[in-house]
Amino acid sequence: QSVLTQPPSVSAAPGQKVTISCSGSSSNIANHYVSWYQQLPGAAPKLLIYADNKRPSGIPDRFSGSKSGTSATLGITGLQTGDEADYYCGSWDGSLNIVLFGGGTTLTVL
Amino acid sequence: EVQVVESGGGLVQPGGSLRLSCTASGFTFSDHYIDWVRQAPGKGLEWVGRSRNKTKSYTTDYAASVKGRITLSRDDSKNSLYLHLNSLKSDDTAVYYCVRGAYSDYPSSYGYWGQGTLVTVSS
Repeated sequence: QSVLTQPPSVSAAPGQKVTISCSGSSSNIANHYVSWYQQLPGAAPKLLIYADNKRPSGIPDRFSGSKSGTSATLGITGLQTGDEADYYCGSWDGSLNIVLFGGGTTLTVL
Repeated sequence: EVQVVESGGGLVQPGGSLRLSCTASGFTFSDHYIDWVRQAPGKGLEWVGRSRNKTKSYTTDYAASVKGRITLSRDDSKNSLYLHLNSLKSDDTAVYYCVRGAYSDYPSSYGYWGQGTLVTVSS
């Protein structure tokens, strides 16, 4: 069982917006940066968001990150069928001295 | 161009051991933390361990699931990180990824992933 909690699945129509939540605790999300990853079928994960809300170069601004207290959120606007993938949050845990990942959320673009 | 490439996966018997290699290029290896992340078939991501950089004296941290069975070692002259895992169990079956932070200040934000190497623990 993952210590960072994500919904197993979310869905929305093309062109719409979706949010994916990631819930943690004071030892991880609240006091350490959150990253978000996209994993397409058969591929290695790809970094979408780092340091809570920063996008690496090449990541479109349709992807956004936010954080409040012990929870973080990934937002995706203008959904495309190519966005169908598994999404993971991750954060350092300062009490356990490990990196934690959420269990992953499968996005379906209907 | 930054690259990390894993090797050494394969079929291993329960109770056996393995050594995976991660060979890097395109950056100064000793300046960066290098981690291992694994993914069991059809499952999510699981962090395995970390080897910090020279500045941090190459200290390591390990996940509870592998602690006591794992050693990470580096050879900066070969730009390589090695993962030694023993007393293998079926739960260790996974694709193992070598990863590096996207930026030096954010070592836990993995901007660089290898292609992964599959380890299968089975008799």
